[in-house]
Amino acid sequence: QKEVEQDPGPLSVPEGAIVSLNCTYSNSAFQYFMWYRQYSRKGPELLMYTYSSGNKEDGRFTAQVDKSSKYISLFIRDSQPSDSATYLCAMGIYNFNKFYFGSGTKLNVKP
Amino acid sequence: EAQVTQNPRYLITVTGKKLTVTCSQNMNHEYMSWYRQDPGLGLRQIYYSMNVEVTDKGDVPEGYKVSRKEKRNFPLILESPSPNQTSLYFCASTPEGGTDTQYFGPGTRLTVL
Repeated sequence: QKEVEQDPGPLSVPEGAIVSLNCTYSNSAFQYFMWYRQYSRKGPELLMYTYSSGNKEDGRFTAQVDKSSKYISLFIRDSQPSDSATYLCAMGIYNFNKFYFGSGTKLNVKP
Repeated sequence: EAQVTQNPRYLITVTGKKLTVTCSQNMNHEYMSWYRQDPGLGLRQIYYSMNVEVTDKGDVPEGYKVSRKEKRNFPLILESPSPNQTSLYFCASTPEGGTDTQYFGPGTRLTVL
């Protein structure tokens, strides 16, 4: 079983839609959780970072962590064509420079 | 400009021919990592380094070597490349502790024939 599971998509939505991206994980030792965005032919860039359960909001993006269910989500409000990219969830254990990534969900926002 | 650079960006080679992919960061970060990205498998960590002369294996270290002789550089060495090492490789650096933002390089697309 993979440490982190993520639906690869692709996910296609109209501009302005609310997008929900999700990951599940199996290792209860994971303590911090990240979402990266990766445009084609580019390296991943960090979008959101959360530590512990709960919600974190940054502009149109909200990251949600439910440690009891081992489930994390990223919500994108008012999605834009420029949000079209692959979104990767990642998680790790405090003070260990070892990270586990999901396989990524490809998102296409249609104008 | 703060950045992570990788060279080469594209490389086609043959089985068994030793190669090195360089990685350099100008942010004085302590932590650096190498990943490979394959379709359906996402990013998998190959090796990481917590500081100069301190390295450790990630999830998929077989067939790779690294060294960290200087803080800014973290080369990835394939002593005898094989076709199953055909992949997209990313170097990343982190300020400290693995709890902060990872800054990724632009990637190196390697094909081993």
